[in-house]
Amino acid sequence: NAGVTQTPKFRILKIGQSMTLQCAQDMNHNYMYWYRQDPGMGLKLIYYSVGAGITDKGEVPNGYNVSRSTTEDFPLRLELAAPSQTSVYFCASSYGRGHPLDEQFFGPGTRLTVL
Amino acid sequence: AQKITQTQPGMFVQEKEAVTLDCTYDTSDPSYGLFWYKQPSSGEMIFLIYQGSYDQQNATEGRYSLNFQKARKSANLVISASQLGDSAMYFCAMREGRAGNQFYFGTGTSLTVIP
Repeated sequence: NAGVTQTPKFRILKIGQSMTLQCAQDMNHNYMYWYRQDPGMGLKLIYYSVGAGITDKGEVPNGYNVSRSTTEDFPLRLELAAPSQTSVYFCASSYGRGHPLDEQFFGPGTRLTVL
Repeated sequence: AQKITQTQPGMFVQEKEAVTLDCTYDTSDPSYGLFWYKQPSSGEMIFLIYQGSYDQQNATEGRYSLNFQKARKSANLVISASQLGDSAMYFCAMREGRAGNQFYFGTGTSLTVIP
């Protein structure tokens, strides 16, 4: 099993450009999450999904969009990149649905810089 | 109010000594889960230990144990016999509800193990 995979690992964007961060998991997890981690800070939830076709906003959703057409994939879209979106982005997945041990499995992260 | 508070930005411990990393949480939900993650300098998030709100005993995983004091709303991580490889950022996190959808992370504690 590959676990949670993210692409790309690094990206530099110009202000106003758009891009999609890819995330995939092969553990048949129901729940998937996108976080951002600013330097020296903890993780803040951007969006999450409890299953294919279902998404919801987290703590910091502005400037981002998501979709979940399959159980495996959960891409994050940045439409008009801004310097404030410079961060490390983590995708995570978990069993959810009342699983007794609902730990999150994290991808390796995408380091995004907006100039 | 912060859901998760970690008041120690940085900690130092001598190799082979034990260290306690503090975490307090805020929730009115009687059912919740508490997690600790390790983030080495390489950036990945590694799950360490889990404590459920209804668990009667403190969780243990190898050299990691969780000192769970429900009345005080604290979930401190204890690392015994510290090793150089324990040097990393440590994050406390909480999920509210049996199948709660959101995880809340603290700002982390940077642990340095001194030889």
